[in-house]
Amino acid sequence: ELKVEQNPLFLSMQEGKNYTIYCNYSTTSDRLYWYRQDPGKSLESLFVLLSNGAVKQEGRLMASLDTKARLSTLHITAAVHDLSATYFCAVDVFSVYSGGGADGLTFGKGTHLIIQP
Amino acid sequence: DGGITQSPKYLFRKEGQNVTLSCEQNLNHDAMYWYRQDPGQGLRLIYYSQIVNDFQKGDIAEGYSVSREKKESFPLTVTSAQKNPTAFYLCASSPYGDYEQYFGPGTRLTVT
Repeated sequence: ELKVEQNPLFLSMQEGKNYTIYCNYSTTSDRLYWYRQDPGKSLESLFVLLSNGAVKQEGRLMASLDTKARLSTLHITAAVHDLSATYFCAVDVFSVYSGGGADGLTFGKGTHLIIQP
Repeated sequence: DGGITQSPKYLFRKEGQNVTLSCEQNLNHDAMYWYRQDPGQGLRLIYYSQIVNDFQKGDIAEGYSVSREKKESFPLTVTSAQKNPTAFYLCASSPYGDYEQYFGPGTRLTVT
């Protein structure tokens, strides 16, 4: 059974600071996803990481993937209040059933991030 | 506009009643998924479908049923057998051979 663990689950930080969210998973996978969720809303895709060593950056957020360590990180640089949200990582396993599609994502519990002025 | 629609946004039902949640997409995506989210938790997979007229159970399928008669539609029925149906339900879709899933706006179901 695939398990995905995020830490921390709750993070309160000040604007301007840097911090990293960690995502560990329990089985071999080359595909990891980061999503953002605002209160009461659906999920917004942030990053799709598809290979070992993949690194992607968008604004103050940078995500990386180490498939050998089964670890992904989401780094926040010089945090601003607008980044306050819950961040989820998710992993999928390639499906041989249909020859190409994914069986569905396994999510971590999410990191609830509050950025204070 | 292409996208995924879920209706209704909020749904209230009495215990013991079946209820069907709608999910429609006009993105021509092959695969569709249903997830459930409980407060303070991540999403858990209920059912998924890679092609029309075929679907697979996810991690928490008990008490739920689905159909996939059309490529663009994947309705979820929450039956009276589901012990704790109150939750936020999210539908997603993805193209064949692609990996990223695109999520709808969700339906918040409350059963009393």
